[in-house]
Amino acid sequence: RKEVEQDPGPFNVPEGATVAFNCTYSNSASQSFFWYRQDCRKEPKLLMSVYSSGNEDGRFTAQLNRASQYISLLIRDSKLSDSATYLCVVQAGRRALTFGSGTRLQVQP
Amino acid sequence: GAVVSQHPSWVICKSGTSVKIECRSLDFQATTMFWYRQFPKQSLMLMATSNEGSKATYEQGVEKDKFLINHASLTLSTLTVTSAHPEDSSFYICSARPGLAGGAGELFFGEGSRLTVL
Repeated sequence: RKEVEQDPGPFNVPEGATVAFNCTYSNSASQSFFWYRQDCRKEPKLLMSVYSSGNEDGRFTAQLNRASQYISLLIRDSKLSDSATYLCVVQAGRRALTFGSGTRLQVQP
Repeated sequence: GAVVSQHPSWVICKSGTSVKIECRSLDFQATTMFWYRQFPKQSLMLMATSNEGSKATYEQGVEKDKFLINHASLTLSTLTVTSAHPEDSSFYICSARPGLAGGAGELFFGEGSRLTVL
């Protein structure tokens, strides 16, 4: 079983749609959680950290359920520029980050 | 924000040759850097943790004699793919976070190096 599991997609949505990505992790010692965005053939870039109480950054909302070891990302009012692969990432202590395989989003005009 | 620079961004080489990839933290020091590898449509997989002034820590299944890591200073780590073969063709990405104790803050990534072995 992979440490971090994500639905690979692709999710094809029209502009303006709301889309949600889910992620589960297996290491109960994980303490830090992130969503990264990766454009084709580019390095990953931090989109947002995920906190236990849930957090929002503009059109993006992240949720964490430690009991279920589940993380989600909600994107509202999708833009064409949101098209990318979204990586669910967890970290246990000061270890290196563990990446999910990513969920591909394609926003269509 | 903090910047991590990686060089070269892409390289094509013949089978059997060695390729060196450099990773530099441009505006911060890092005792620890991480090397990842990403095959097409797959996740980033940690290869090794590079420790300044000491030996790298390799993940299970990664050959330390094939992937040589040198962390000579607090701002530079190098990955050398020795005797490269076509199956080594991949996207290699380094990362680091500011701080001299590993830290738990944001991890910054280099731009990645795309290696193609013919």
